[in-house]
Parts: sequence; C-alpha cells; structure tokens
Amino acid sequence: LAKTTQPISMDSYEGQEVNITCSHNNIATNDYITWYQQFPSQGPRFIIQGYKTKVTNEVASLFIPADRKSSTLSLPRVSLSDTAVYYCLVGEAGSGNTGKLIFGQGTTLQVKP
Amino acid sequence: KAGVTQTPRYLIKTRGQQVTLSCSPISGHRSVSWYQQTPGQGLQFLFEYFSETQRNKGNFPGRFSGRQFSNSRSEMNVSTLELGDSALYLCASSLQGYGYGYTFGSGTRLTVV
Repeated sequence: LAKTTQPISMDSYEGQEVNITCSHNNIATNDYITWYQQFPSQGPRFIIQGYKTKVTNEVASLFIPADRKSSTLSLPRVSLSDTAVYYCLVGEAGSGNTGKLIFGQGTTLQVKP
Repeated sequence: KAGVTQTPRYLIKTRGQQVTLSCSPISGHRSVSWYQQTPGQGLQFLFEYFSETQRNKGNFPGRFSGRQFSNSRSEMNVSTLELGDSALYLCASSLQGYGYGYTFGSGTRLTVV
C-alpha cells in the first residue's frame, strides 16, 4: 500500500475554499485515492474516492493529475463544522488484504470564524 | 438505514482486567474490521472478520482477540489490560471487506487506570 504525505495542519476561514494536497509517489496502477474525515471521538467518515482526473460529489471535489503522484481534496466554502482531521488513503484493501485501511497522520483543518 | 453501532461508548477498566467491546455492522455487511486509535500511534488496524472467520490481522499482541457471530455482529476482547491499551476502539463494516464503502462506528473510548 502506497505511503502518503500530507500537511499536518491547515487553517482557514469560514466561506473560503480549502485545498488539501496529498503526495503518493509510489501509487500503484490499481490503487484508488480515498479521503476520510474524522471529528473528535467519532469514527472516520468517507468523503470521496477517485482514480484519475476529477471527481465531484455534494461534499467535495478530488483532483488527480495525470501522473497520479498527488491528489488534492477541495472543500468549497468551508464552515466551522468542517473543522476536522482529513485523511488521504491510497490503495484500498484488495481481496488479499481485507479490511485494512492504512491511515497516515492526517491533516487537521481548523476553520475560524 | 442504521449505521454501525458500537457499545459501550465509554468504559473504564483497571489494569489487569479484561474487556469486551461490541460492534453491530450495517445490515447486510458481512465484513467487520477493528481499529485502535491513540494520539501517539494514530489509527491502527487490529483485525478483520468475514462470515465468522478472521481473514486479516494487524500487528497486535495475542491479548487482543475477536470473533464474529452468524448475524455478523462482532466482539473484540482485550485481556490483561495495560495502561497503554487506553484508546478509542473503532469498528468498520463493509460488504466484502475490500473496495470502498467502509462505514465506521463512533467507537468505544476505553480508559485503563
């Protein structure tokens, strides 16, 4: 499973767009890129997943360049409730490594009023 | 639909005791995996069960064990508790245990004194 590197922390203000970039230089051909969000004392929550180019859902967008060695999670117009830890994961557990998600240190996003 | 339910939410135990935590997955999900989260080590995979069989295991001592019942509910047991076992224990359920679509519970906060 590919190792990921992301900033430890980020600050933003309400209403701004936030972009969190994740590096994954050793991503394999079959790997997907997935982002989870975690609030204190809660379990991680799936945000978005992609393989290449751009994916958008009601919560966020995920931008993946052609070489797939990095990805950027974009949160539009953040609010105070978006204050959380965001994890970038690469390489979903395949059939040979079931149930195992590899979480890095994550990025703590602090949204200020 | 109901989410992943973990009980109890909070638990205080004394060093040397044992503890059992419970996880009820989303209806229809057959894979249940367990994670330990501590400030120092982050989120670490413990083990995964599918159809009552342990399919995958992380690097934890044998004091950590689990089982899964025919209705997919799972229990995790920690024997001879140590202070370092204090953590948030999370379980995640999914249909198959690979691919995306893991749903986490809110966790059990275990404090060992």
